[in-house]
Amino acid sequence: AQSVSQHNHHVILSEAASLELGCNYSYGGTVNLFWYVQYPGQHLQLLLKYFSGDPLVKGIKGFEAEFIKSKFSFNLRKPSVQWSDTAEYFCAVKDSGGYQKVTFGIGTKLQVIP
Amino acid sequence: GAGVSQSPSNKVTEKGKDVELRCDPISGHTALYWYRQSLGQGLEFLIYFQGNSAPDKSGLPSDRFSAERTGGSVSTLTIQRTQQEDSAVYLCASSFDRDQPQHFGDGTRLSIL
Repeated sequence: AQSVSQHNHHVILSEAASLELGCNYSYGGTVNLFWYVQYPGQHLQLLLKYFSGDPLVKGIKGFEAEFIKSKFSFNLRKPSVQWSDTAEYFCAVKDSGGYQKVTFGIGTKLQVIP
Repeated sequence: GAGVSQSPSNKVTEKGKDVELRCDPISGHTALYWYRQSLGQGLEFLIYFQGNSAPDKSGLPSDRFSAERTGGSVSTLTIQRTQQEDSAVYLCASSFDRDQPQHFGDGTRLSIL
């Protein structure tokens, strides 16, 4: 069975600070990896995804994530956060073969202080 | 202490048939979401129910898709005249309130032949 760990449950940053949210997964096979964002009062939206190729993935709004296979990690980064980045961030993993169950981490609440 | 339950877990049907997918949210959760994940894609928002308010249907891809939530609990997602591009995993999630964490079901894997 696959599992996802997000180590930071609540992060508070000042505007312009750099962000890194940790995500580690456990699974023996080939995976697809995702980061989703949920802004207050809204539904989940895809931030970025990794399927294959370049392990450094760039997403919307200046976010990027790096897949490090040897560490089973897919950390999310942004060099300079804004107040509008205040949201909850979810890492997710699924087996890369066809239709498989998506496993989500418990989420990280990011609060950006102006 | 049951989680979000979806049925069926797998559905294979012929193009042109109607299908109905069911979601039983966690008891007491007022918010309910439907998403789908097509092959090679991330989650795509479909529809959102919050209590007795009118649902947010902004993610429904066409008028063949509809959903209802009876009595503020069980929800059904109906796809009429299915097409091959409807093949996906359909995920349901519920939360205590709109700003609370979402709990996901295991999904329904829909395959249109």
